[in-house]
Parts: sequence; C-alpha cells; structure tokens
Amino acid sequence: GENVEQHPSTLSVQEGDSAVIKCTYSDSASNYFPWYKQELGKRPQLIIDIRSNVGEKKDQRIAVTLNKTAKHFSLHITETQPEDSAVYFCAAIKAAGNKLTFGGGTRVLVKP
Amino acid sequence: DAGVIQSPRHEVTEMGQEVTLRCKPISGHNSLFWYRQTMMRGLELLIYFNNNVPIDDSGMPEDRFSAKMPNASFSTLKIQPSEPRDSAVYFCASSPGTGAYEAFFGQGTRLTVV
Repeated sequence: GENVEQHPSTLSVQEGDSAVIKCTYSDSASNYFPWYKQELGKRPQLIIDIRSNVGEKKDQRIAVTLNKTAKHFSLHITETQPEDSAVYFCAAIKAAGNKLTFGGGTRVLVKP
Repeated sequence: DAGVIQSPRHEVTEMGQEVTLRCKPISGHNSLFWYRQTMMRGLELLIYFNNNVPIDDSGMPEDRFSAKMPNASFSTLKIQPSEPRDSAVYFCASSPGTGAYEAFFGQGTRLTVV
C-alpha cells in the first residue's frame, strides 16, 4: 500500500520567514496530494491540494510543488505569521473513493 | 450543510466497557473514513467505506474494533471491550468519492478509557 513520509517533524521559524515541509510517497499511481492544517484541539482542515497533472499551485502565501518523477511534494509558506502555527499533514490518494494516506505531520511554530 | 457530525465530542469510560462512536457524513458524499489520532502514531486510517460498503479495514487494530455503515447518512465505530490504550481522538471524514477527492473531517471524539 501507499506510504507517505513527511519531514521535518517539527519546524520553528521566525515570523516573516518562510517554512518548507517535504513529503515523499511510494505508490507511483497516486495522483492527488492534499495538505491539511490542524490547529490545537481542532479538526484537520484542507488548505491546498495538487493533482498529478500540475507541477505547482499557489494560493496567497501558501504554495505546493510536485515532482512525480521523484515522488515527492512540498508545502511552502511565505511571510509566516503566528496564526500559521499548527500541525500540517500531507497526504496522497490514487483515485476518488480510495483511501487517503497521511504523513506523520509537521508541528510548525512561528515565533513572533 | 453542517459538515461531518460526530458524537459524542468527549467520552470517558472504564476499561472493559463498550464504546460506540457515531458519524453523520456530508449529504451526498459516497466515501467515509474513520481515523484515530494519537501523539505516537499520528493519523491512522482504521477503515473506509464506499457507498456504505467496507472497502479496507486493514487498519482496524484488533477484533475489539468494529465499524458499520447501515445507510448513507450514518456510521458507527464500536470498541468492545475498551482498553486504556484505545484512548485517542477518533475522526470521521467523508468525501464525494466520485470525481472529487477532497476529504472533510468531523470535529472528532476524544475517547478516554480509564
């Protein structure tokens, strides 16, 4: 089955700096890669996603890149703010209706 | 739509007791997932359903765990008998399933087994 690895497990950045989280996946058939943000005591919420036919996608201060050949994808947060502090999860799925496999999560702390 | 609804939000029970967690997916969604979240193991997929049919239950840890989806608007996750190591937050999520991948999570049930 699919295996998703995520690094780093914790990330501390100064407010205004950029944060980068990297994930690798094992199943080359995976073609949808969402990112979820989970604030303390809350549910995971989708913040951005990318499909395999796209190499990069951007939404304001967050962007995701995908390298299908290398089977890795990354989340980039620019101009970090304290409200970006949370746990971020990457995930991979082969097709709609298949199981969504999550990485281990990255705890991001933005220091003011 | 109110989103994915889980109940109860918190459950404290004694070891050996039966626990039933409930989930109402978003109307029209065909896929339903049960996840368990702990500090040690992160987000683990326990089981998922497509069109009310269990597709993959390989993540269910033991026979003490069982899940059902009797109709498109309701699912249960049952633990019998419960043990302290079952303490975790249990999330239910649903997805449109056909042609769309996004999964939406419920608020979770925090289970404590003492």
